[in-house]
Amino acid sequence: SQTIHQWPATLVQPVGSPLSLECTVEGTSNPNLYWYRQAAGRGLQLLFYSVGIGQISSEVPQNLSASRPQDRQFILSSKKLLLSDSGFYLCAWSVNGAGGYTFGSGTRLTVV
Amino acid sequence: ELKVEQNPLFLSMQEGKNYTIYCNYSTTSDRLYWYRQDPGKSLESLFVLLSNGAVKQEGRLMASLDTKARLSTLHITAAVHDLSATYFCAVSTMDSSYKLIFGSGTRLLVRP
Repeated sequence: SQTIHQWPATLVQPVGSPLSLECTVEGTSNPNLYWYRQAAGRGLQLLFYSVGIGQISSEVPQNLSASRPQDRQFILSSKKLLLSDSGFYLCAWSVNGAGGYTFGSGTRLTVV
Repeated sequence: ELKVEQNPLFLSMQEGKNYTIYCNYSTTSDRLYWYRQDPGKSLESLFVLLSNGAVKQEGRLMASLDTKARLSTLHITAAVHDLSATYFCAVSTMDSSYKLIFGSGTRLLVRP
């Protein structure tokens, strides 16, 4: 079956520290992968998407970056976190949208 | 650029009443999705609408899509407290990225 794993579930990091969030997908090949962020009480903002290994597109300029080292692995990183990076980060995958989009369980990041 | 507008942003309704949430989008697409989000949780897929005139129903919720008007509705029939949550509509772009763009969400509170 197709599943998506996202970790960690919660994270508290000091300002200026690095960040690495990981997402892996099982049960499908060559999915499109997405990173979203949801600020408290707000909607979902698309941060990055990837249509293949090593192919990353950024939607919002910021101090975050993404990488896709393997077909089913998507990583969100930062060298130095800002307070404004706090939020709920969600990873998602889809093949072509027709089967819908599956979301991970999310990582709640608090930058202090 | 695809934009998705959802209204109302907040809806307080009594149990047993009916109401409709509206979702408008700005560019051509025939793929629209509805999600439910409970506080602190990830997104739960409710409906996937993939063609003009598509109508889907699950329990007290019914979703429809009019691609010509670029409008989807989520109709709630005889609301119950368990339906209290935030509901998001999202539209997929029609290029190979299949980016999913979200509306701002409707926070639904069903009162006894």
